[in-house]
Amino acid sequence: EPEVTQTPSHQVTQMGQEVILRCVPISNHLYFYWYRQILGQKVEFLVSFYNNEISEKSEIFDDQFSVERPDGSNFTLKIRSTKLEDSAMYFCASIPARAPPGELFFGEGSRLTVL
Amino acid sequence: ILNVEQSPQSLHVQEGDSTNFTCSFPSSNFYALHWYRWETAKSPEALFVMTLNGDEKKKGRISATLNTKEGYSYLYIKGSQPEDSATYLCAFTGGGNKLTFGTGTQLKVEL
Repeated sequence: EPEVTQTPSHQVTQMGQEVILRCVPISNHLYFYWYRQILGQKVEFLVSFYNNEISEKSEIFDDQFSVERPDGSNFTLKIRSTKLEDSAMYFCASIPARAPPGELFFGEGSRLTVL
Repeated sequence: ILNVEQSPQSLHVQEGDSTNFTCSFPSSNFYALHWYRWETAKSPEALFVMTLNGDEKKKGRISATLNTKEGYSYLYIKGSQPEDSATYLCAFTGGGNKLTFGTGTQLKVEL
């Protein structure tokens, strides 16, 4: 069964360092998302991406965040200068069709720990 | 800011018990309500996507109902099993391209 894959599963980094989280969505899916969950808090929307551009982003997704789909398969989330409060589980998700979304297909998440 | 609330926050039941939890969401600009099951160390997995007021969906021992006019959905598990232990997330969409999630209900089913 096709699945969304994410790497790394866990990354530990120093505050101020750049981090890239990678996702390979399901191949025929067109809409991609990043969500995150800080420990003990809600799953929060970060950004959605369609047709090689950001479709919608939350207030969390400030200038230190960026997304791209460099090669038609990978979908990356870059955090330029990590802060302690960026420590969270980051989930990638994809759907086959455009908004409004049917069920999201999630990856297993990348846990980011910022020291 | 959209408010999606789930209750209870956590629940411990015995194997064989039936249980239910609640998701409340804005009743205006409703498009769909999703339920996801999230087991530890796995990815959230969709259970149901519900769009119509009065909708009832069922998957095995798990079922869900939807009331869009009053802004709530119930998830029911009949005859809980240890493998049902997970966090159950609901998520609301008003027709845009993002889901707003609730805090989740953490279910633990004990033998």
